[in-house]
Amino acid sequence: GAVVSQHPSRVICKSGTSVKIECRSLDFQATTMFWYRQFPKKSLMLMATSNEGSKATYEQGVEKDKFLINHASLTLSTLTVTSAHPEDSSFYICSAPDGVYGYTFGSGTRLTVV
Amino acid sequence: GENVEQHPSTLSVQEGDSAVIKCTYSDSASNYFPWYKQELGKGPQLIIDIRSNVGEKKDQRIAVTLNKTAKHFSLHITETQPEDSAVYFCAASIGTSGSRLTFGEGTQLTVNP
Repeated sequence: GAVVSQHPSRVICKSGTSVKIECRSLDFQATTMFWYRQFPKKSLMLMATSNEGSKATYEQGVEKDKFLINHASLTLSTLTVTSAHPEDSSFYICSAPDGVYGYTFGSGTRLTVV
Repeated sequence: GENVEQHPSTLSVQEGDSAVIKCTYSDSASNYFPWYKQELGKGPQLIIDIRSNVGEKKDQRIAVTLNKTAKHFSLHITETQPEDSAVYFCAASIGTSGSRLTFGEGTQLTVNP
């Protein structure tokens, strides 16, 4: 079936640095990628939707300058957390539509900012 | 926009018992209802889904029912096993797969051996 490969699975970074998370669709073309953030024991919160070759659409309250999303190809979308702070620590998950109705999720990235 | 409510937030059952998780949605235009299982530290995995033109779908021990009139859908797991322990999320979507998913708040299922 469809696979979205997400890397890294875990990352620890210092405050003020930037971190890039990659999501690759391995056997299908992902024209759209959804990026979620998940806090412990909470549901997935949609941060932004990216479409290949165009600017991402951010949800209300999400800082577009802090969470930079690039979707330059049909198989790769990236999320860069810029000038990370401890409050950015979270579990980030990407997801792409893989057919008429279905969605495939990445395995998630645990970001810890120290 | 769409709003999905999920109950219960926690559910503890004995191995072999059945588990039922219920969700309601607000937008009658929603036509795709997936259920995901999420284990700790991992991304959600689709376990079953149902489309608006179907009232029930079953896959071995897992079944989903949909009542479009009442705008609710339910997940049924029979003969539960300890490995079924996880967080389960329901979701709803409008239109094709390019549309966003709206998630419920999740249910922590614990199956006690």
